[in-house]
Formats: sequence, structure tokens, C-alpha cells
Amino acid sequence: QSVLTQPPSVSAAPGQHVTISCTGSSSNVESNYVSWYQQLPGTAPKLLIYDNIQRPSGIPDRFSGSKSGTTATLAITGLQPGDEAVYYCGTWDRSLSGEGVFGGGTKLTVL
Amino acid sequence: QVLLQESGPGLVKPSETLSLTCSVAGDSINDYYWNWIRQSPGKGLEWVGYTLYGGNSYYNPSLTSRVTISIDMSENQVSLKLTSVTAADTAVYFCARSDYGGNNKIDSWGQGTLVTVSS
Repeated sequence: QSVLTQPPSVSAAPGQHVTISCTGSSSNVESNYVSWYQQLPGTAPKLLIYDNIQRPSGIPDRFSGSKSGTTATLAITGLQPGDEAVYYCGTWDRSLSGEGVFGGGTKLTVL
Repeated sequence: QVLLQESGPGLVKPSETLSLTCSVAGDSINDYYWNWIRQSPGKGLEWVGYTLYGGNSYYNPSLTSRVTISIDMSENQVSLKLTSVTAADTAVYFCARSDYGGNNKIDSWGQGTLVTVSS
């Protein structure tokens, strides 16, 4: 059971948009920066969003992040077949001695 | 462009020590945080820990009694040691770089190396 809760799967047709939620608590999502990663099959994760809303250079603006309270959200617009992947959120949890935490991952299917 | 390459045994016996090395090319190792993250087959990401040269290391509380992450500046390498392994430690282990700690902005990843714990 992951500390951060993500829906196991989402799906949409090409060209449409989807949102993926990442729900945590006051000790993690609410009080720390959230990052989002895309993992294609058999590859390492790739950073999409950091500091809740920032995109690294080279990441298209079809990908955007937001955060409100204990929930962070990744939005993807103009879906493309190449977006089919597993998406993870990650942040820091400051309970006890502190630790990094990830969501369980959300499988995006582009129909 | 930084390149990270994990290396080490692909098979470790139960109760023994898992030792992996991450070779860093194209970057100064003392400017960043260095993370280890693992992924059991078919499962999600699990944060193992991170370190900063000359700074503190932080470990997953469930692993802290068994894990050590260290930096070898002379070799530009980051190492991971995990003692007393069990089958539950079977995973792909990723070495990854971040600009700061807090499990945020991990922007460069190695390809990962699969370690299987089995007799």
C-alpha cells in the first residue's frame, strides 16, 4: 500500500485530455513539492513535472501539474499514442525521520 | 548531459550483501544529490535513499538498518550496499540524480540493473 494514492488506470482517446490525481496527507503532498514521472515499458522513469508545477526543458506544455491541499494533479492534453505509459507522483514525507514516497502508479491507456 | 550506469552482480544469495555501483559521467558528483530507487518486478517505485557529498544521507525507514549509500569522489561513483537480503529485495535498482533532496526533481536516471535474490 503506497503512502500516496493514485488511480490504477485512466484512459482516453487521442487528442483528448486526462487528469491523474495523487492524494496524500499534510505530512507529504500538502507540505512538500511534488514531482511527476513517466515510465515507458522497460525504461527508467522520466521527469515530467517538479516543484508541483514546473516542467523541465524539453517537456511539452501538454503536460502540466497542480496542487491543492493534500492532492496533486497531473494533466495531459492533446493525448498521443506515445503518452501511453505508467505515471508516478513522488514527494517527501516529513513524518518521523523523513522519507521519499511515491504513488503506486497510474497506467494511462490511449484508446 | 550526465550519464549514469549501474553495475553489480545480477544474482545475490539470501542473507548476503547486495552491492551496486553507479558510475557518473559528464557531471561533477559533488554538485548534486544521488538517489537509489528500486522497482520490484511488475510493481511501483520504492525510494531507497539519497546522499549528498559531504552531507547527510537519508534512507527508507524500512531499510535503514541494512542500507548504506556512499560516494567515491576519486572514482566519480555512488555505491549502494544492502545487507541481509531476502527475496523481497529482488528488484531493478536505479541510480538517479537530483538538484536537491526531498525526493523532488530527480532529472537523470540510469537504465537500472536487475538484482535477483535467490539461492
